[in-house]
Amino acid sequence: SQQGEEDPQALSIQEGENATMNCSYKTSINNLQWYRQNSGRGLVHLILIRSNEREKHSGRLRVTLDTSKKSSSLLITASRAADTASYFCATDSGNTPLVFGKGTRLSVIA
Amino acid sequence: NAGVTQTPKFQVLKTGQSMTLQCAQDMNHEYMSWYRQDPGMGLRLIHYSVGAGITDQGEVPNGYNVSRSTTEDFPLRLLSAAPSQTSVYFCASSSRGGGVTEAFFGQGTRLTVV
Repeated sequence: SQQGEEDPQALSIQEGENATMNCSYKTSINNLQWYRQNSGRGLVHLILIRSNEREKHSGRLRVTLDTSKKSSSLLITASRAADTASYFCATDSGNTPLVFGKGTRLSVIA
Repeated sequence: NAGVTQTPKFQVLKTGQSMTLQCAQDMNHEYMSWYRQDPGMGLRLIHYSVGAGITDQGEVPNGYNVSRSTTEDFPLRLLSAAPSQTSVYFCASSSRGGGVTEAFFGQGTRLTVV
């Protein structure tokens, strides 16, 4: 069954605004990752945060992790039309492959 | 590097036909996985492999078969296609499991079963 659950399911913002997506998961994790998927394409890795980390930055991306609440958030600052995509969180479950949520569809309007 | 290569990109099958979706990676990754993506369902794990000769079932394995004879290749076989298998299939690889390293994805195979 799916571990992560992204919220909201869909988000529409104006170019230049910040976009925040949330992910909640059910069981303890070692790592949490965020991926991006452009329409009709494969997923591309954005950022990995370990369970002992609380915040991580990569360019315009900021990820937070709260293991006590079993939740993570992805913030995209100063969004661009090219950021339009679906965003997925993925968690580990021991030594098995990543388990993905259903994703958030982000639309950035120019 | 090509990364993860999936073939074909598109396929239409008739109910009951069998076929193999190909996946190859050139990064010497031990871990390879197959996911299917359906509207509103995200990605669901079908089968995975932690190394040559080792495979295991994921969340939705029924109707699919895999083998891993080499590190590079991880084909997915549909034994007798059904309309419920209409989906987009993604192959992924990573150097380690447990979410320790990033996964690399192929571009997907869009399968329609009529």
